[in-house]
Amino acid sequence: QQQVKQSPQSLIVQKGGISIINCAYENTAFDYFPWYQQFPGKGPALLIAIRPDVSEKKEGRFTISFNKSAKQFSLHIMDSQPGDSATYFCAARGTNFNKFYFGSGTKLNVKP
Amino acid sequence: NAGVMQNPRHLVRRRGQEARLRCSPMKGHSHVYWYRQLPEEGLKFMVYLQKENIIDESGMPKERFSAEFPKEGPSILRIQQVVRGDSAAYFCASSPVTGGEAFFGQGTRLTVV
Repeated sequence: QQQVKQSPQSLIVQKGGISIINCAYENTAFDYFPWYQQFPGKGPALLIAIRPDVSEKKEGRFTISFNKSAKQFSLHIMDSQPGDSATYFCAARGTNFNKFYFGSGTKLNVKP
Repeated sequence: NAGVMQNPRHLVRRRGQEARLRCSPMKGHSHVYWYRQLPEEGLKFMVYLQKENIIDESGMPKERFSAEFPKEGPSILRIQQVVRGDSAAYFCASSPVTGGEAFFGQGTRLTVV
């Protein structure tokens, strides 16, 4: 059973556009939701994270929107740049759990 | 302030050999996670360790795979009698305390020939 469902699988956005990646979860015990960015041949890098006591968190061009009642959260990349082209993973973890559950990943391609 | 260090970065083993993957967590971190990633796929949890303890190994295959995190030295993921299907990227992540942020290393890419 997949704990975190991520969509879309791939995404093509024009330079300057907004990239939106969505994730949904089932387990209400999750209380920490990070996003990771991974370039080919590299390890996942922590991008931004949110806890469910806030509905939105913004860091530069990256924003997480969180809907606790719907058990959904999304990553918005404003003014997308070709350098943002990478695979993005959402994840979730609860205080009583020892591991992160990862989404299946979204491959983002930002066209110049 | 070095990040999570994994070595080797690339490892080639023949079928039936043993593979040892090492992970040194960030300074001050006492929690280590191991994940496996197949090409074009997501990250699959394998094991979660604290110093000298295996906390959760629910993602580890029942045979041939083992992990440790001794009091001194790096965490080791050991794969005995490797098979072609073990070929993957293996990532280690560390965090300072339970519930803290986790940071990943650059991974070890294992190729079984």
